[in-house]
Amino acid sequence: AQSVTQPDIHITVSEGASLELRCNYSYGATPYLFWYVQSPGQGLQLLLKYFSGDTLVQGIKGFEAEFKRSQSSFNLRKPSVHWSDAAEYFCAVGAQTNAGKSTFGDGTTLTVKP
Amino acid sequence: DTEVTQTPKHLVMGMTNKKSLKCEQHMGHRAMYWYKQKAKKPPELMFVYSYEKLSINESVPSRFSPECPNSSLLNLHLHALQPEDSALYLCASSRWVGNQPQHFGDGTRLSIL
Repeated sequence: AQSVTQPDIHITVSEGASLELRCNYSYGATPYLFWYVQSPGQGLQLLLKYFSGDTLVQGIKGFEAEFKRSQSSFNLRKPSVHWSDAAEYFCAVGAQTNAGKSTFGDGTTLTVKP
Repeated sequence: DTEVTQTPKHLVMGMTNKKSLKCEQHMGHRAMYWYKQKAKKPPELMFVYSYEKLSINESVPSRFSPECPNSSLLNLHLHALQPEDSALYLCASSRWVGNQPQHFGDGTRLSIL
């Protein structure tokens, strides 16, 4: 069965500092991977996705993620964090079949210090 | 602006009331989803509709009744809910079921008195 682990429950960074959020997955084939962000009181917004090809994917809001098959990881990065990036971040893996369901990680809460 | 619209944004209801949540998308997506989300937790899948047919029911209690009248609309009918049903209810859509990214609405914040 597929699974997603986000090892960091809570991360605090200073504004302007770099950010890396970790995501590890378990999947039986080539995974479809996603990062979503959720600001308070809002739904989830897709930041980026990986289906195949280039292992470094660019997303919205200056985020990028790198797919590493050997490490079963799909870590999210941003070179310089803004106060508005404070939110909940979810990594997800798409279903293996068209009848299946996506699996979300438990999320990482990002706090940005001024 | 979100492309998936949910109404109402907030709902307070008693345990004997009947109410409905509504979700609408006009992106031509053929898969639609209902999720329940508690604070500081990931969304929990409740139902999936594929081409207007119910394809996944995650053993949700019968007090929650989904309906998909057409490819753009998804409803969740609520009846005799319990206090533990208080949560954020999220609707999402995707091009098809499975490996596609999902587009989420901003949710309905439901409180059961």
